Amino acid sequence: EAQVTQNPRYLITVTGKKLTVTCSQNMNHEYMSWYRQDPGLGLRQIYYSMNVEVTDKGDVPEGYKVSRKEKRNFPLILESPSPNQTSLYFCASSSQGLRDYGYTFGSGTRLTVV
Amino acid sequence: DAKTTQPTSMDCAEGRAANLPCNHSTISGNEYVYWYRQIHSQGPQYIIHGLKNNETNEMASLIITEDRKSSTLILPHATLRDTAVYYCIIMNRDDKIIFGKGTRLHILP
Repeated sequence: EAQVTQNPRYLITVTGKKLTVTCSQNMNHEYMSWYRQDPGLGLRQIYYSMNVEVTDKGDVPEGYKVSRKEKRNFPLILESPSPNQTSLYFCASSSQGLRDYGYTFGSGTRLTVV
Repeated sequence: DAKTTQPTSMDCAEGRAANLPCNHSTISGNEYVYWYRQIHSQGPQYIIHGLKNNETNEMASLIITEDRKSSTLILPHATLRDTAVYYCIIMNRDDKIIFGKGTRLHILP
């Protein structure tokens, strides 16, 4: 089944403890992206990647890192999480022809930083 | 980047057609209109997209006005499972999709 898989689904962590949220897609998509969703603010893009070894900042990149060493994986790294990064996170992927195909989203990761 | 305007919320009776409007008066000639929906806390789901012509698939129909300044998503026979937030999105030139606030659609039994 074509899908985007995020892990973990739920995570509670403490301030300052480095964590990684994994994202993997099995559709051979070139484009991958991370979003966070907060009440009243909607979905905001954190980072995106047009292809392997190519990453760019989205609208809210502060406090996050990403890497794209393989086409299928696009992990989101929080080096020193803070409570304001408590949010619902989504990974998405799409084929190169973004205007011809829609995005496929993962099921989300609910992160709580205490 | 083209911005969109959608009503904050709408109600529709189960079994009736749900018509969700979207204004995008600053859309440029090569930008597409995409529709996604998000059922409570799940990942957004692609519904349909179009450039100029009306489009239909198994989920919905998309009607785009001739001047392309507005569009309407039509769910022909709404069910309770269609209760969700519906996002009308215009693809910008960097191919980054920007989500607005969307329309919260309530399907009433």
